[in-house]
Amino acid sequence: AQSVSQHNHHVILSEAASLELGCNYSYGGTVNLFWYVQYPGQHLQLLLKYFSGDPLVKGIKGFEAEFIKSKFSFNLRKPSVQWSDTAEYFCAVSGGSTLGRLYFGRGTQLTVWP
Amino acid sequence: GAGVSQSPSNKVTEKGKDVELRCDPISGHTALYWYRQSLGQGLEFLIYFQGNSAPDKSGLPSDRFSAERTGGSVSTLTIQRTQQEDSAVYLCASSLAPVTGVGEQYFGPGTRLTVT
Repeated sequence: AQSVSQHNHHVILSEAASLELGCNYSYGGTVNLFWYVQYPGQHLQLLLKYFSGDPLVKGIKGFEAEFIKSKFSFNLRKPSVQWSDTAEYFCAVSGGSTLGRLYFGRGTQLTVWP
Repeated sequence: GAGVSQSPSNKVTEKGKDVELRCDPISGHTALYWYRQSLGQGLEFLIYFQGNSAPDKSGLPSDRFSAERTGGSVSTLTIQRTQQEDSAVYLCASSLAPVTGVGEQYFGPGTRLTVT
């Protein structure tokens, strides 16, 4: 079975600070990678995805992520966070024979102070 | 519909009772997934439907859990003889994914189940 690790459980930043959230996965074959976000009181929303091609993917709201195959990583970045980015962020992976089921990391709670 | 819908949004039940949770996927989405989100376990996969068939039900935690999908659309997750450890938010997701399952999943708002 695959496993997904998110290294930071809770990140606290001030507005305009830069953000990087780490995500590592265990599966060595072809993977599909996702970042989902859950704003307070809302349901999970897709932030960005990687299936193939350019390893640097851009998502909504200025977020981007870089797939580094050799490091089994898919870190999420944003150059300047806003108070409205306060949310929980989940990294997810699917691949191999798992028929699209997602394996999620434990999530990172991001708090941005105005 | 515009998105994945789930009902009820909240369910409080007594230990030992049966519950049914419903999911309406996005129209035309052939793939449907159930997950649950709990404090101790994070987000866990339960079952995957492609059309009305469930090729992967490996995430169901016990035989008290079952799910069905009819007409390639609505799905019902049933938990029999509920236990306190079943308390969690049950999430449904749907996708346009083909048989390979590769595709982005759209999540519903979830059903918060509390077993007292």
